[in-house]
Amino acid sequence: DQQVKQNSPSLSVQEGRISILNCDYTNSMFDYFLWYKKYPAEGPTFLISISSIKDKNEDGRFTVFLNKSAKHLSLHIVPSQPGDSAVYFCAASGAYGGSQGNLIFGKGTKLSVKP
Amino acid sequence: KAGVTQTPRYLIKTRGQQVTLSCSPISGHRSVSWYQQTPGQGLQFLFEYFSETQRNKGNFPGRFSGRQFSNSRSEMNVSTLELGDSALYLCASKQGAAYEQYFGPGTRLTVT
Repeated sequence: DQQVKQNSPSLSVQEGRISILNCDYTNSMFDYFLWYKKYPAEGPTFLISISSIKDKNEDGRFTVFLNKSAKHLSLHIVPSQPGDSAVYFCAASGAYGGSQGNLIFGKGTKLSVKP
Repeated sequence: KAGVTQTPRYLIKTRGQQVTLSCSPISGHRSVSWYQQTPGQGLQFLFEYFSETQRNKGNFPGRFSGRQFSNSRSEMNVSTLELGDSALYLCASKQGAAYEQYFGPGTRLTVT
């Protein structure tokens, strides 16, 4: 049973436009959400996070929106750049309480930004 | 600060053998988590260590084990390797009660 779902395996966007990556979750106990970017042959790189008590967090070109009632979050990248082309993972924490050392990941969305 | 380092980067083993992977966390980070990434299952949590104690464990068989040393470095061991253990094994570290984990480059294990 997938608790974190990224239903779009891939997304293609033109350089300069907005990229919107979506993530749904099922466990209402999650209290923190994170986005990671991954290039081939590298480990995931932390991008941005949001606590469940907030509905928006912004960092430069990256903004994460959280809709708790819909159990949905999204990552907006504006403007998109070719260097943003990577696989993006949504992750959630807190379902099991305690240490927050256990992240539950979605399967990822491959973003391609075309020049 | 130096990032999370993992050794070796690539490993080829035969079914039935055992393997030990190593992870050095970011300086000052006392929590180390391990994840397995496969094409079919994605990124799955294996276990977390903090102050030399396993604090959390994922749903993996007992063939997967780990430990942490007093300097926060961690190792994971897989015994009696199976073909399905072929994966990218990722280590991540974090500070205290923070949620954000920082990943190493991973060890690519191939079991033949």
